[in-house]
Amino acid sequence: SQTIHQWPATLVQPVGSPLSLECTVEGTSNPNLYWYRQAAGRGLQLLFYSVGIGQISSEVPQNLSASRPQDRQFILSSKKLLLSDSGFYLCAWTGDNYGYTFGSGTRLTVV
Amino acid sequence: AQSVAQPEDQVNVAEGNPLTVKCTYSVSGNPYLFWYVQYPNRGLQFLLKYITGDNLVKGSYGFEAEFNKSQTSFHLKKPSALVSDSALYFCAVRDRSGGSYIPTFGRGTSLIVHP
Repeated sequence: SQTIHQWPATLVQPVGSPLSLECTVEGTSNPNLYWYRQAAGRGLQLLFYSVGIGQISSEVPQNLSASRPQDRQFILSSKKLLLSDSGFYLCAWTGDNYGYTFGSGTRLTVV
Repeated sequence: AQSVAQPEDQVNVAEGNPLTVKCTYSVSGNPYLFWYVQYPNRGLQFLLKYITGDNLVKGSYGFEAEFNKSQTSFHLKKPSALVSDSALYFCAVRDRSGGSYIPTFGRGTSLIVHP
């Protein structure tokens, strides 16, 4: 069966520090992968998506970047965090079932 | 273009009563429609989807939704609400013919079930 792993679950980072959030998918190949941010426990903002290794599309220009070094690995990064980067980050993938499967999320607090 | 609206920020219902969480959509062609649930500090969990076929879709935890093409709606329903159903619910739509594989999510509806 397919599973998605996202870590860490919570993270507190100082302003100006780097960020690396990792997401991996098991049990499938060539998934479409996505990073979302959810602010204030409500709407989802699509940040990046990837349809294959090294292929990244950015939906919102900002302080973050994404990479896909392997087929089932998707990484969200920042060189210098801002206070406004705080939020709940969700990784997701889609395959043949038309819908999303989400990871458990990372609560990032920038202090 | 595709869009989805969840007109209610919050729905309150008493335990044991039926519940409805509303969703309307707009697509150029025919839609794929989804409902997800989110508990605090967790990822979204898939509840059900409409792809094609029967307009009444049954999903997890006793939830169901009815696809109404004429009203462009996909309301989520449950005959008898539980306190444990209290969560944030998201409707999503994807246009089959639009060429995009990225669903559009509604803003979410907070369901509160009172004991």
